[in-house]
Amino acid sequence: EVRLVQSGAEVKKPGESLKISCKASGYDFRDYWIGWVRQTPAKGLEWMAFFWPGEPDPRYKPAPQGQVTISVDKSINTAYLQWSSLQASDTAIYYCVRGLGYCSDGLCRYLDHWGQGSLVTVSS
Amino acid sequence: DIQMTQFPSSLSAFIGDRVTISCRASQSISTGLAWYQQKPGKAPNLLIYDTSNLRGGVPLRFRGSGSGTYFTLTITSLQPEDFATYFCQQADSFPITFGQGTRLEIK
Repeated sequence: EVRLVQSGAEVKKPGESLKISCKASGYDFRDYWIGWVRQTPAKGLEWMAFFWPGEPDPRYKPAPQGQVTISVDKSINTAYLQWSSLQASDTAIYYCVRGLGYCSDGLCRYLDHWGQGSLVTVSS
Repeated sequence: DIQMTQFPSSLSAFIGDRVTISCRASQSISTGLAWYQQKPGKAPNLLIYDTSNLRGGVPLRFRGSGSGTYFTLTITSLQPEDFATYFCQQADSFPITFGQGTRLEIK
């Protein structure tokens, strides 16, 4: 069974740093794109970034926004989303997502598995 | 970025009804469209990909159609578990973009 298990809720102050995690299991981590989508009441669902763990130098396609970095640790099948300086506008539920298949097959951008979500609240 | 416009934003229907949700892309996305269902407090769940392909385990009462810039999700004979929020998403190119959602409520 494919599972994406995310780290828990966080409450931070503006300017603080944060790293949230997503541990994947039930499939070969190197064979699927993994990434992040956030959800807010105001803007709805927003795709943030994707990562292909199967290459020696993982590549990603960041959405044109913000001071956020995606990374992976292939040794423990875990993806991360990291902020160097949080802003109030980063308050959201963040979902870890997996792409359905290969981009060459036109399938990578369909998100077939989602984590349970990590609520990040940034407030002074 | 490709903008996705979904309508209506909310919809009320009776159990057993047939409903249709629409989604329009700001430019052609061929058949690169997905539909997701989200229930309160849960993550979205992929129902349909590539416009009309049902994900395994999704009931046959869900049907997707369209191409280019206009797409629809039709649910025939609504069941109690179908009342949720539905999102379209373009999968034609990065960055991935979503519609704003349609909330389907019981009348």
